[in-house]
Amino acid sequence: QVQLQQWGAGLLRPSETLSLTCAVYGGSLSGYYWSWIRQPPGKGLEWIAEINHSGGANYNPSFKSRITVSGDRSKNQFSLRLSSLTAADTAVYYCARGVSYGTELDYWGQGALVTVSS
Amino acid sequence: DVVMTQTPLSSPVTLGQPASISCRSSQSLVHSDGNAYLSWLQQRPGQPPRLLIYKISNRFSGVPDRFSGSGAGTDFTLRISRVEAEDVGIYYCMQGTHFPPTFGGGTKVEIK
Repeated sequence: QVQLQQWGAGLLRPSETLSLTCAVYGGSLSGYYWSWIRQPPGKGLEWIAEINHSGGANYNPSFKSRITVSGDRSKNQFSLRLSSLTAADTAVYYCARGVSYGTELDYWGQGALVTVSS
Repeated sequence: DVVMTQTPLSSPVTLGQPASISCRSSQSLVHSDGNAYLSWLQQRPGQPPRLLIYKISNRFSGVPDRFSGSGAGTDFTLRISRVEAEDVGIYYCMQGTHFPPTFGGGTKVEIK
């Protein structure tokens, strides 16, 4: 059974950089696409970015140049960095696995609440 | 971006009765490979989303057969044949055909 476990700093100040990591258990990074999605409190879901099994990345243009995703095959982990934070970035951030580019997200992490406040 | 519009916003249902959720996309979700990458997710209170249905009508592993999906092009439906207490939550449709992937606004299923 594939499990995704994620962690990262929960309280950040405006202009700081968010850093989250997601570890994959019971499966390999290879052969899949690994996404980040966020959900502001009480609101819907927003896709942020993905990294594929060969290290290529796709980013939601809404985030312009603020995001970077990376993967570490040796640790079976992948990470998200989101810079220039504002209060609007306050959300629960999820990592998830995609079978292929643009396909369904079949396994999700438990979520990490990130609060941006001065 | 492709806009995904879900109706209704809320669906109060009696236990054992059916429920139906509609999802409409602003563009056809038929991919050049012939597939339509439309999936349905369930989010129970305080939980991460969980995949229920993928490619319109395929149930994910472990999903009860009371859940079914249908549709084509721009109109899609999730049906629950007999609602159980554990089905309470918010349901989202998601498209992956067009970049970036986008989600519907969600439909809350609650028990009357």
